[in-house]
Amino acid sequence: AQKVTQAQTEISVVEKEDVTLDCVYETRDTTYYLFWYKQPPSGELVFLIRRNSFDEQNEISGRYSWNFQKSTSSFNFTITASQVVDSAVYFCALRVPYSGAGSYQLTFGKGTKLSVIP
Amino acid sequence: GAVVSQHPSWVICKSGTSVKIECRSLDFQATTMFWYRQFPKQSLMLMATSNEGSKATYEQGVEKDKFLINHASLTLSTLTVTSAHPEDSSFYICSARFNTGELFFGEGSRLTVL
Repeated sequence: AQKVTQAQTEISVVEKEDVTLDCVYETRDTTYYLFWYKQPPSGELVFLIRRNSFDEQNEISGRYSWNFQKSTSSFNFTITASQVVDSAVYFCALRVPYSGAGSYQLTFGKGTKLSVIP
Repeated sequence: GAVVSQHPSWVICKSGTSVKIECRSLDFQATTMFWYRQFPKQSLMLMATSNEGSKATYEQGVEKDKFLINHASLTLSTLTVTSAHPEDSSFYICSARFNTGELFFGEGSRLTVL
């Protein structure tokens, strides 16, 4: 069975601080994908990144960066110079091959609520 | 990116009534859509997988007769909560699979059952 753990339930930072959101996953599959989604107060899920299990290169996109480490089964997300608009719940998710009809089922972590204080 | 729209975004109903939530892929055809339920301060739990033209596949513990899913076309899946009760109050989110394999999520529908 797959599992995604986001140990940080809530984080508060002051604007312009850097913040890292942790994500640890468990799977026996050697092929899998990892995702991060942002859920602002309005509720919709916004796709941020997808990383496959064979690509351990870290990625940077503007103020966002992701650190994928297979050795520790972690896929951490860092926001640099945080802004108030970054306030949201962030979900890490894992996708593995699935034999049923739902071949793109995602397993979500419980989410980390980030509050950026002006 | 691809757009998935849910309607209504917010619905209040009386206990015992049925509520239908629509999920539409606006600019692409989605053979597979997924329905998730999100409880307050909890993660999203997959309820069922909806395949166009066939019966939905429900996750363990999800009542098929309670949560009716219909995927009649390549751009529309509906979730009907039958005989809703207060414990069914939740945030329901759908997602649709794009042809690249990516999932795009709807805005979510907040159901409150009085």
